[in-house]
Order: sequence, then structure tokens, then C-alpha cells
Amino acid sequence: DVKVTQSSRYLVKRTGEKVFLECVQDMDHENMFWYRQDPGLGLRLIYFSYDVKMKEKGDIPEGYSVSREKKERFSLILESASTNQTSMYLCASSLSGAQIGELFFGEGSRLTVL
Amino acid sequence: QKEVEQNSGPLSVPEGAIASLNCTYSDRGSQSFFWYRQYSGKSPELIMFIYSNGDKEDGRFTAQLNKASQYVSLLIRDSQPSDSATYLCVIQGGATNKLIFGTGTLLAVQP
Repeated sequence: DVKVTQSSRYLVKRTGEKVFLECVQDMDHENMFWYRQDPGLGLRLIYFSYDVKMKEKGDIPEGYSVSREKKERFSLILESASTNQTSMYLCASSLSGAQIGELFFGEGSRLTVL
Repeated sequence: QKEVEQNSGPLSVPEGAIASLNCTYSDRGSQSFFWYRQYSGKSPELIMFIYSNGDKEDGRFTAQLNKASQYVSLLIRDSQPSDSATYLCVIQGGATNKLIFGTGTLLAVQP
């Protein structure tokens, strides 16, 4: 069974803390994505990686960074968490080419920043 | 104009009826079109994709694509209460290959 696993389902952090969200996929997918989902705003792309050590900014990269040292793992880092980063974070992966839009999502990480 | 537009709903249909979910898009060069279902509190899951004009059927689901009119729709036949969810339309842009999500339509199937 194919799987995208996110390290934490629920996190509560304080303003200014550094936050790591990890995502691992077991499907040998080239592409990995980090989205955030907020009511009324839908899914917004934070960062995208199409290969190891490669990354591209999405629509809302400010305040975030990413790391992809291995093909199966894509990490999202909040250097200094702020309350407006309270959200549901979704990791996804897909194959390259025409299948890029056939996304497999993790279960999500709900982050609350106090 | 939003790149991908969906009616937020809720769209309420009785059990056994056909639910029709619509999506319009602005990029004429878009090539690939996807429908995701998202249950409350869960992650989106892919249920249909369509790349060519016309209809594509999979069980109770039919995706319809009309590139000239720039719309894609999802029909759910014999709707069940278990189909109650938010349905997300996703378009792969033509020039950039970027994936663009609609904000979703909430479907409520009444028993």
C-alpha cells in the first residue's frame, strides 16, 4: 500500500520557536510538495521539490524553508514560528511528467502557534 | 478572475440522485485535470483525472472536459451519504505545469 507519512499529526508551538515538519514517501516519487490548507483559502503551495536537493518556491514561501537530502524525505522548516502560521500542513508526492498532478497526500500536520 | 473557480456550495442532493460538480478555469493551455475528494478532517484523495475532451467514466463517477468552454465537471451517479465531502478541482497549467487548486465544493447527500 503506497504511503506518505507525516511525522506529527498535531503540534503546539510557541511564537519564535523553530518547527520541523517531516514527510516520508515510499513510492520512489520524484516530486514532493508542501501545502497549507486554511478555511476559505483552499490549498496553497509553500514549496515543491522535483529531485534531491532541488526546490522551487510555491505561492507562499515566506517564513518557510525546506530540505530534501534524500529522495524519500522532504522536510518543512519554520525558522521562527508566528501565529499566522497556525494551519493544517499537507505533504504530497507524485511521479514526474504527465502524472505530476496525481498526488498522494499524507494525513496532515495540524500546527498551532501560540 | 480566479484561475480555477468552483461554487463553494453546499450542494445538497437526495440519496440516489446525480450530483453535478462544476469547475471553470482561465488558462486555455491547461492540459491535465483532476478531481480530489476530501472528507472532513482528512486529506484529499484523487478520484478522477482526465486529459482529453469528452467523458471519462469510472464506476459511479464521470469526469467531463470541455476545453473550448474551459470547464470540467464531475458527475456522481446514485449519490450515497458516504459521498458527502468537499470536492477539489485541480488544473495543471499549460505554460508552467503548475498545479492550481480550486477552493472546493461541499457536497451533502441527504439520506
